[in-house]
Amino acid sequence: NAGVTQTPKFRVLKTGQSMTLLCAQDMNHEYMYWYRQDPGMGLRLIHYSVGEGTTAKGEVPDGYNVSRLKKQNFLLGLESAAPSQTSVYFCASSYSPRQGPTYEQYFGPGTRLTVT
Amino acid sequence: AQKVTQAQTEISVVEKEDVTLDCVYETRDTTYYLFWYKQPPSGELVFLIRRNSFDEQNEISGRYSWNFQKSTSSFNFTITASQVVDSAVYFCALSEGEGANNLFFGTGTRLTVIP
Repeated sequence: NAGVTQTPKFRVLKTGQSMTLLCAQDMNHEYMYWYRQDPGMGLRLIHYSVGEGTTAKGEVPDGYNVSRLKKQNFLLGLESAAPSQTSVYFCASSYSPRQGPTYEQYFGPGTRLTVT
Repeated sequence: AQKVTQAQTEISVVEKEDVTLDCVYETRDTTYYLFWYKQPPSGELVFLIRRNSFDEQNEISGRYSWNFQKSTSSFNFTITASQVVDSAVYFCALSEGEGANNLFFGTGTRLTVIP
């Protein structure tokens, strides 16, 4: 099993450009998440999805959009990149029964994005 | 307000010393989950442990141990006989409620183990 994979690993954008980050998981997890990690701030949730075709906002959703067309994939889009979006982006997935305990999230290797 | 506080920004120890990483959390929910993750220099996040609010038993896994105390809202992590490979940033995280969707992370503690 590859677990959670992210594409690309690195990217440099100019202000105003757009891009899409791809996350894929092969663990048949229902839940998927996008986080950003900034120095001194830990990880913060951008958007998440509880199943194919559903998405929801997290703590810092502004400037991002997401789509979950297939269960195994979760896409994060930046329509008009800004320098404030320079960060490391992590995708995660988890097994979560509809009712029951919260399980751990498994993370991808991260994407380092620089917006100049 | 910060839901998870890791007051120690950086810690350095000499190899074979024991070290404790502190984590204090804040929640009004009676059901919640606490996690520890390790982020080595390579950058990935590695899951270490999950603990629910109804289980206050301490846990030991090899050189790692965790002390959960609801009375002080703390979930501390101890590494015994530290090794250079333990050098990493360690994050404590909180999830509130059942089947919750958000992990609230602390700001992390960078541990450096000096050979």
